[in-house]
Amino acid sequence: DIQLTQSPSFLSAYVGDRVTITCRASQGIRNHLTWYQQKPGKAPKLLIYSASTLQSGVPARFSGSGSGTEFTLTISSLQPEDFATYYCQQRNDYPITFGQGTRLEIK
Amino acid sequence: EVQLVESGGGLVQPGGSLRLSCSASGFTFSNHWMTWVRQAPGKGLEWVASIKEDGSVKHSMDGVKGRFTISRDNAKSSLYLQVNSLRAEDTAFYYCARLADGTSIFDYWGQGTLVTVSS
Repeated sequence: DIQLTQSPSFLSAYVGDRVTITCRASQGIRNHLTWYQQKPGKAPKLLIYSASTLQSGVPARFSGSGSGTEFTLTISSLQPEDFATYYCQQRNDYPITFGQGTRLEIK
Repeated sequence: EVQLVESGGGLVQPGGSLRLSCSASGFTFSNHWMTWVRQAPGKGLEWVASIKEDGSVKHSMDGVKGRFTISRDNAKSSLYLQVNSLRAEDTAFYYCARLADGTSIFDYWGQGTLVTVSS
């Protein structure tokens, strides 16, 4: 199985900060990496797919990059509504796997 | 508007069974792979199973093989997950999600149904 390791697992930041979350895969997954945002009590929401393509309706302050085994999600200027948990997911091979999540909290 | 509504969760004893359902609307259900993803309370996301548009291909995680069965009824725009031989570790919110065309990108999710396995 392909393991995804996110870092950090917890991040505390201020509104307006630029933050970056990393997702590392245990083997190469080309660009088959997806990012989701989940708020408490809600279903996950698709943010970025194919490593760097922004889902329609997602604000441009979100961006993704990477290929192979290392990927990043960047939020350029944190807004209050961005405080949530973020998950990466690989779709290169079955079983589909998720990272353990990064919880982003307001400092 | 795409909508996915899960139902069928509840409290069940270890070894018991449930049938989870997901009713879809707002898109052509028969044109999309569908999937189940679960999340234990306070924990991360875990993919459970996926099914092809016509039901002819199914994939599932090793930990549920032989116990969980994914199926669909395109005439009813419904997705199902039959969960048998339930264990405490199966306690989770179960989400259904739609796969974007030809990919394993989960572009729309339901709100989830909670399965609690406890005596």
